[in-house]
Formats: sequence, structure tokens, C-alpha cells
Amino acid sequence: GAGVSQSPSNKVTEKGKDVELRCDPISGHTALYWYRQSLGQGLEFLIYFQGNSAPDKSGLPSDRFSAERTGGSVSTLTIQRTQQEDSAVYLCASSLKLATSTDTQYFGPGTRLTVL
Amino acid sequence: AQSVTQLDSHVSVSEGTPVLLRCNYSSSYSPSLFWYVQHPNKGLQLLLKYTSAATLVKGINGFEAEFKKSETSFHLTKPSAHMSDAAEYFCVVSANTGFQKLVFGTGTRLLVSP
Repeated sequence: GAGVSQSPSNKVTEKGKDVELRCDPISGHTALYWYRQSLGQGLEFLIYFQGNSAPDKSGLPSDRFSAERTGGSVSTLTIQRTQQEDSAVYLCASSLKLATSTDTQYFGPGTRLTVL
Repeated sequence: AQSVTQLDSHVSVSEGTPVLLRCNYSSSYSPSLFWYVQHPNKGLQLLLKYTSAATLVKGINGFEAEFKKSETSFHLTKPSAHMSDAAEYFCVVSANTGFQKLVFGTGTRLLVSP
């Protein structure tokens, strides 16, 4: 079946502009996760969703970052007033259930964001 | 807090020779550990996972890893490298935060020469 998809695959924007990154999880997966992969910080957790709610937003690096999930499916990560340090690959993952250590997270191909 | 340390940033092997990618973990409880692989311009793919069952875990593409509590290690091995194994490998621990928050190591780039 279809895997996790993300769009756009590449995004180039100017400093100060807002961007929206989209994630389509695997159908039926209730848990959804956002990660960021950058040269300086490696792979870091941003936020997760169980259904439409995000119980833990502590991984978001600043209040310019926000995310939502609607209908228990598609999620959007929004970065306002982008800065050059926001340049990174943003990865989305989904899993069938939440909190179980045996669960497997399936990752999308990522969105490469470049802020000029 | 849970963490993993990947001891080598780069590992170079010849095709047909064994692969060893080293990982040490730190955890205050019995951890769940994973190895993920990332090929260039591709998403992360799960190779294998340890979840307190058998200590020797077999994964895809001939990879396996052994959980050693006494050494706090979870090294990834493969008997014979293939050119297609060239990629970035991440050792990952699941943090005990009430949900499966993955904490990634810094990665090891595996180079395979003919």
C-alpha cells in the first residue's frame, strides 16, 4: 500500500516568509510525528499527534512553529517568519498505535526547506 | 534521559567483507532500540528493532544486532557488505515519555568500495 507522503519535496523561500509543509500518513495510522534533520542538530523530534490532538509540543523550537492535524489524517507544519536556521529536512512519520514500544514508525521522504 | 552514541561517523569496507556499526545507549529503564537506514534522497527505513524479546535481532537485508545490557551496546552487523548497503545508519532509542518519542544518534555513514 501507499507509504507516508510529504509535499512539497523541496521548498525554497525568502527569510521572513511563512511556509506550510504537508504530511499524508499511512491510512489507518493514528499516531503522527514530525522530525527535523539538519546539519548542526542531527535528527530531532518536533511534535506528535494522537488523532487530532498534540499532547506534547515541547519539541517545537520556537513559537514560530505550529502544527495541526485534521480528520485524524493529514497534518500541516507551519513555520512563520522563516529564518535561515530553519533550513533543514522536515520528516514526517506515522505509526499504527501510540506509546507502545513495539510499534514501528514509517517515515516519509521529507521536505527539504531552504531559507535564503 | 535516554540517549544513544554512535561511535563512528564514517565506516569504510570493501564489498564482501563484514560490516560493524557501533552504538552505545544510555537508559534508566529497559529500552527499545532501533536501527534505521537512510539512502541518499530517500526516507528513513527501519532495519530492525529490539523490544526486550530475543537479544539477537535479525533485520532486513541480512543485518542483525545484538542487545548487550552489560555493555549497554546495540551494535549492527552484516557478514558480507554489498554495494547497495552504502547509506547513513542511525541508532535510535525510544524515550519513555508516554509515547514513542525516538531519540536518534548522530549517524554513521557506511562507504562500500568494490
